[in-house]
Amino acid sequence: EAQVTQNPRYLITVTGKKLTVTCSQNMNHEYMSWYRQDPGLGLRQIYYSMNVEVTDKGDVPEGYKVSRKEKRNFPLILESPSPNQTSLYFCASSSYLAGGSYEQYFGPGTRLTVT
Amino acid sequence: AQSVTQLGSHVSVSEGALVLLRCNYSSSVPPYLFWYVQYPNQGLQLLLKYTTGATLVKGINGFEAEFKKSETSFHLTKPSAHMSDAAEYFCAVSLKAAGNKLTFGGGTRVLVKP
Repeated sequence: EAQVTQNPRYLITVTGKKLTVTCSQNMNHEYMSWYRQDPGLGLRQIYYSMNVEVTDKGDVPEGYKVSRKEKRNFPLILESPSPNQTSLYFCASSSYLAGGSYEQYFGPGTRLTVT
Repeated sequence: AQSVTQLGSHVSVSEGALVLLRCNYSSSVPPYLFWYVQYPNQGLQLLLKYTTGATLVKGINGFEAEFKKSETSFHLTKPSAHMSDAAEYFCAVSLKAAGNKLTFGGGTRVLVKP
């Protein structure tokens, strides 16, 4: 089954404690990205990757890091989480050709609470 | 930069009634347009998309949307609401020049009353 998986699904942590949210896709997609969802703001892109070892900032990258060492994995790293990073996080993947018309497949989400 | 506005953060409809969700975008060039649905505790699922060609697009679960360039709109409709349509709906756009990046509206939560 084609899918995007994220772990963990729920996480409660304390300010400053480094954490990693994993994302994996089994569709051999080139493009992967992370979004955060906040009430009334919809989803906003944090980082994206167009292929292995190619990553770039989205609209709200402050406080986050990513890496893309393998095509299927795209972890999101919060080195020093703060309460304003409490949010619902989604990983997404899609095929990529110049144009942007490809459907993005979303993971089930990770609900993060930073106290 | 493009932006997306969804009018109404909450919409309540009766079962069997028309569902109309409004989406307007701002972009200097024609974008690609998407509607996604999010059911409780789940990720986003694509309902439909417009890229080129026919401006009336049909999607899954009986939804359709019409791209109106002159109005910069992409409103989503369904003739008859079902209880299972209760969810949050997101309009999104992407530009050719921006690759696969999606810019989302704030979302509209639909409540279906029996």
